[in-house]
Amino acid sequence: SQKIEQNSEALNIQEGKTATLTCNYTNYSPAYLQWYRQDPGRGPVFLLLIRENEKEKRKERLKVTFDTTLKQSLFHITASQPADSATYLCAVSGGYQKVTFGTGTKLQVIP
Amino acid sequence: NAGVTQTPKFQVLKTGQSMTLQCAQDMNHNSMYWYRQDPGMGLRLIYYSASEGTTDKGEVPNGYNVSRLNKREFSLRLESAAPSQTSVYFCASSLPTETDTQYFGPGTRLTVL
Repeated sequence: SQKIEQNSEALNIQEGKTATLTCNYTNYSPAYLQWYRQDPGRGPVFLLLIRENEKEKRKERLKVTFDTTLKQSLFHITASQPADSATYLCAVSGGYQKVTFGTGTKLQVIP
Repeated sequence: NAGVTQTPKFQVLKTGQSMTLQCAQDMNHNSMYWYRQDPGMGLRLIYYSASEGTTDKGEVPNGYNVSRLNKREFSLRLESAAPSQTSVYFCASSLPTETDTQYFGPGTRLTVL
């Protein structure tokens, strides 16, 4: 069955460092991979989308990579700040199939 | 422009009671969705509606019904609530594109005793 895996353990990093979150998928060939941010008690908010023919996408301090051979996406936040602390969800989609979400990774940026 | 709104924010039900969760969006999106989010399980799709007048089952539809009242509104009904339906429910909407980028509401936290 299709599976989206994110590290279920929380990631703690020091302010100013680069946070790297991993998303692996199996039994799926998505055309798109999306990343969302979710704060406690709120709905997820869309951050970035990368297409299967794109290797890398950037938006301000965010960078996403998409390796269709490894079936993996990496999400980087450079110069991390305490305000970046949240849970980050990856999601795969494509070909008008419904979006499938991972369970999310909780990021804590320590001042 | 409120985006996606959901009511109520919190609800406590007894086993066997029924209730309807309301969702509305003002972004003129065609597609709307209902998800539930449980610890360790992630977001799971309950039902979706690709356009006004159509609804389809998602991954976990048992125990739920939906109504796409018009383009703006998509409601989720629990006919006979069970403790297993204790969860946080999110409504979302999207444009009818291949990317299916989702815009979420604030959620409803439901407890079934």
